[in-house]
Amino acid sequence: GENVEQHPSTLSVQEGDSAVIKCTYSDSASNYFPWYKQELGKGPQLIIDIRSNVGEKKDQRIAVTLNKTAKHFSLHITETQPEDSAVYFCAAGNTGNQFYFGTGTSLTVIP
Amino acid sequence: EAQVTQNPRYLITVTGKKLTVTCSQNMNHEYMSWYRQDPGLGLRQIYYSMNVEVTDKGDVPEGYKVSRKEKRNFPLILESPSPNQTSLYFCASSFLDKQETQYFGPGTRLLVL
Repeated sequence: GENVEQHPSTLSVQEGDSAVIKCTYSDSASNYFPWYKQELGKGPQLIIDIRSNVGEKKDQRIAVTLNKTAKHFSLHITETQPEDSAVYFCAAGNTGNQFYFGTGTSLTVIP
Repeated sequence: EAQVTQNPRYLITVTGKKLTVTCSQNMNHEYMSWYRQDPGLGLRQIYYSMNVEVTDKGDVPEGYKVSRKEKRNFPLILESPSPNQTSLYFCASSFLDKQETQYFGPGTRLLVL
């Protein structure tokens, strides 16, 4: 099956700085790579995703990049704000099959 | 309001006492899934279902059962709970061709004594 590794497990940044979280996957059949944000006491919520036929995708301050050859993808958050503090999960999957999450990154944005 | 609901939200039980955690969605989603979340391990998929009467094992199915008799409901059954099933459980749903966009329920925190 798929193996998704996520780094770092914790990340602290100053407000206004950028944050980068990296994930690797093992199964070349995986074709979608979402990122979820989990706030305290809540379920994960999708913030951005990328499909295997796209190399980069942006949505305001959030961007995701995918390197299919190296089997890694990254989340970039620019101009971080205190409300960005949360746990972030990467995931990988193949339509109609299992869905695999990384182990999570706890992001703290220091005002 | 489009949502995934889970009940109960909190549950304390004893080893061996059968329990069911219900999950319901009102978005007409084909795909439904159960995950458990444990510190340092992220979310691990227990079972998933691509449609009514179709269920498949995820990464950690041992000790759990599911059923999908109706499209909107996907209960998780622990026939004989054990302490290692103490965890935070999430139900999620999505359209089959948009599995990356899974909607998660609020979670059920289970303690097995």
